Amino acid sequence: GESVGLHLPTLSVQEGDNSIINCAYSNSASDYFIWYKQESGKGPQFIIDIRSNMDKRQGQRVTVLLNKTVKHLSLQIAATQPGDSAVYFCAEKIQGAQKLVFGQGTRLTINP
Amino acid sequence: ETGVTQSPTHLIKTRGQQVTLRCSSQSGHNTVSWYQQALGQGPQFIFQYYREEENGRGNFPPRFSGLQFPNYSSELNVNALELDDSALYLCASSPGTGGGQPQHFGDGTRLSIL
Repeated sequence: GESVGLHLPTLSVQEGDNSIINCAYSNSASDYFIWYKQESGKGPQFIIDIRSNMDKRQGQRVTVLLNKTVKHLSLQIAATQPGDSAVYFCAEKIQGAQKLVFGQGTRLTINP
Repeated sequence: ETGVTQSPTHLIKTRGQQVTLRCSSQSGHNTVSWYQQALGQGPQFIFQYYREEENGRGNFPPRFSGLQFPNYSSELNVNALELDDSALYLCASSPGTGGGQPQHFGDGTRLSIL
């Protein structure tokens, strides 16, 4: 069925270190994936996306990796800063469907 | 470029009442999707509107309904409110319905049912 899950509900990293947030998805018909950042009291903010015909995409300080063989998605944040503290959601879009299916999120906490 | 805006930001209702939430899409975006986000959960898809018609619906009862206007703004209506309807309601817009186009979210309306 449709489900997007996360391996860890919380992640704590030192400021300046790299963060890796993981996500597993179960629907092989998903062809588009997005990472969102949600700060307290705000809506999800688009970070980066990737289509299923790619396995890696880079943005500013962020990289998304897609492994279709094991249905795994990860978000890497380089040189984590205090402003990166938030809940991060991965979301998948099944081919032909309109909706995004979200996981429960990972809370990223930055230690000074 | 104006982002997605939602109103009101907060709302308190009682069981059995009806509520209307509003959303203005990001400029250039003709597709609006609504999501419900319970505390500590990821957003759940309610429905999507494109060209003023419903274009996909999630697992929500008919008392959740919507509209889209010619300027692409949208409303979410919920009748016969229940306690479980307490949640953050998010609107997202996108430049089309096709795959590979990110949905951009507003900051939501926090609905509390007493």
